Amino acid sequence: KAGVTQTPRYLIKTRGQQVTLSCSPISGHRSVSWYQQTPGQGLQFLFEYFSETQRNKGNFPGRFSGRQFSNSRSEMNVSTLELGDSALYLCASSLRLAGRMNQETQYFGPGTRLLVL
Amino acid sequence: AQTVTQSQPEMSVQEAETVTLSCTYDTSESDYYLFWYKQPPSRQMILVIRQEAYKQQNATENRFSVNFQKAAKSFSLKISDSQLGDAAMYFCAYRSARKLIFGTGTRLQVFP
Repeated sequence: KAGVTQTPRYLIKTRGQQVTLSCSPISGHRSVSWYQQTPGQGLQFLFEYFSETQRNKGNFPGRFSGRQFSNSRSEMNVSTLELGDSALYLCASSLRLAGRMNQETQYFGPGTRLLVL
Repeated sequence: AQTVTQSQPEMSVQEAETVTLSCTYDTSESDYYLFWYKQPPSRQMILVIRQEAYKQQNATENRFSVNFQKAAKSFSLKISDSQLGDAAMYFCAYRSARKLIFGTGTRLQVFP
């Protein structure tokens, strides 16, 4: 079974631009979560999507948004990029079976490395 | 709120030796899951091992095992017979209702 895939793998943008990152979960997985990883802040939760709805959101400004499609693929968008948005963005998928949320292992993609100049 | 603490920023081990990475966490929940993830230089986050809080038996996966002390809220990872390929960042993580909460990581170096 194929793993979580993320595109693009690398991206360079300038301040003020916007960017869209894509994540395809493992086949059969219905939940997609996004994380930001930086040297200063470590790994921080951005948001989770399930059944095309955002279920939970981390402490990030409204410039960070996302969506999920009916095939469970997800995209995240960052508008008006700032230098501090330079990071590795990781996507993780899980099955999301009813009543088992705490039990479910999240499997990660390879990440998208975003550099904002 | 739940927190995860990894107090060892860096550790080193000789090839074929054993090393233990520490992790403590804080939670008021009784049912939860704990994970160790490995992040090699490729930056791919790889699941190493997971532990269910309701299970007293410590999880084991080949050369990797955990020492789970629920009362002490401690969850250490033991790597036996260390190999060069074990060199990576290791993250301890707590699974709350909707997200993973990560520790700050321990960088493990393996020397031949």
